[in-house]
Amino acid sequence: KQEVTQIPAALSVPEGENLVLNCSFTDSAIYNLQWFRQDPGKGLTSLLLIQSSQREQTSGRLNASLDKSSGRSTLYIAASQPGDSATYLCAVKGGSEKLVFGKGTKLTVNP
Amino acid sequence: NAGVMQNPRHLVRRRGQEARLRCSPVKGHSHVYWYRQLPEEGLKFMVYLQKENIIDESGMPKERFSAEFPKEGPSILRIQQVVRGDSAAYFCASSPKSSVRGGGETQYFGPGTRLLVL
Repeated sequence: KQEVTQIPAALSVPEGENLVLNCSFTDSAIYNLQWFRQDPGKGLTSLLLIQSSQREQTSGRLNASLDKSSGRSTLYIAASQPGDSATYLCAVKGGSEKLVFGKGTKLTVNP
Repeated sequence: NAGVMQNPRHLVRRRGQEARLRCSPVKGHSHVYWYRQLPEEGLKFMVYLQKENIIDESGMPKERFSAEFPKEGPSILRIQQVVRGDSAAYFCASSPKSSVRGGGETQYFGPGTRLLVL
């Protein structure tokens, strides 16, 4: 059974700092891994999707890496801004259509 | 192109009542997924449907919960005789096609329905 763990559960940083969010998964047989952002009371916004054959994806100040063999992914956020404050969710897709989510990392960026 | 729409956004029910949650997928998407997010928990898969078919309901509670995606109209998640433990955010997602072989299709999420059972 696939399990996804995200560390840390919460993170508070000053504006401008570079930061890394971690995601690990127990079953390396995945099709893809996705990072989402969730704002309070809102839905999920897809940030980056990494296929199992890829090592990383970049979008603006965000960079996500994937090491399938070790069951790890990181989300790197450069030059953080208060608007980045949200909960970041990692999800993996295995041999079925369902996504398996971690519990998320709640990020607070202080002005 | 409108995204995934869910209604109502907030729903309050008393114990024993029925809750009906609706999801309209992105136009042209024929695959719908329902997830539940309990307080302080991650999202958990409930059910995957294609038009008129339930493909995977391995995450659905065995009793009181049902889902459908008719040929016409939105997908419906129905909870009968609600209990306090059903209080959660219910998210719907859609994708244009099955992604298992291709690996690449993302699921687009709606804003969720927040169910509160009194």
